[in-house]
Amino acid sequence: EIVLTQSPATLSLSPGERATLSCRASQSVSRYLAWYQQKPGQAPRLLIYDASNRATGIPARFSGSGSETDFTLTISSLEPEDFAVYYCQQRNSWPLTFGGGTKVEIK
Amino acid sequence: EVQLLESGGGLVQPGGSLRLSCAASGFSFSNYAMSWVRQAPGKGLEWVSVISASATNTYYADSVKGRFTISRDNSKNTLHLQMDSLRADDTAVYYCAKTGSPDKYYFDSWGQGTLVTVSS
Repeated sequence: EIVLTQSPATLSLSPGERATLSCRASQSVSRYLAWYQQKPGQAPRLLIYDASNRATGIPARFSGSGSETDFTLTISSLEPEDFAVYYCQQRNSWPLTFGGGTKVEIK
Repeated sequence: EVQLLESGGGLVQPGGSLRLSCAASGFSFSNYAMSWVRQAPGKGLEWVSVISASATNTYYADSVKGRFTISRDNSKNTLHLQMDSLRADDTAVYYCAKTGSPDKYYFDSWGQGTLVTVSS
């Protein structure tokens, strides 16, 4: 099973700041990594798929990069609605796995 | 607009069974693999199971293999999850999720979830 480790667990930032979230895989997942955003009481929302492709309707301030074992989700300038928990997920091999999440909170 | 509506959750005793359903609309259901993902209270996301578009292939997390069965009815645009031998650690919100592409297992649409509580 591929283990995805997200860091940091919590990121405390102010609106307007840049957020950099990391997802590290225990073995290569090629570029088959997705990112999701989840707000309290809501279902997750797909942000990025296959490492760097923005999903439909996702603002350009969200970007993804990386390959093999190291991936990054960047939010270029945090908006108030971006404070949430973010998860990565790999689809390279079975079982599908999610990372433990990074909470982006208001500083 | 894609809509996924889960039902069937509730309180069940350890060792009991429950059948979840997900009614899909707004897309060509028979063309997409579908999945169940769960989230225990206050915890992260855990993938549970996926079924291919034609139901030819199914995959399960080790934690549910042999106890849960995923199925679909393409004539009724419905996804199911039969859960047997339930345990306390199966307590979670269960989400139905649509894959983003017929052969790519990431999830671009999610239902609002149905809560399953396993307790005596």
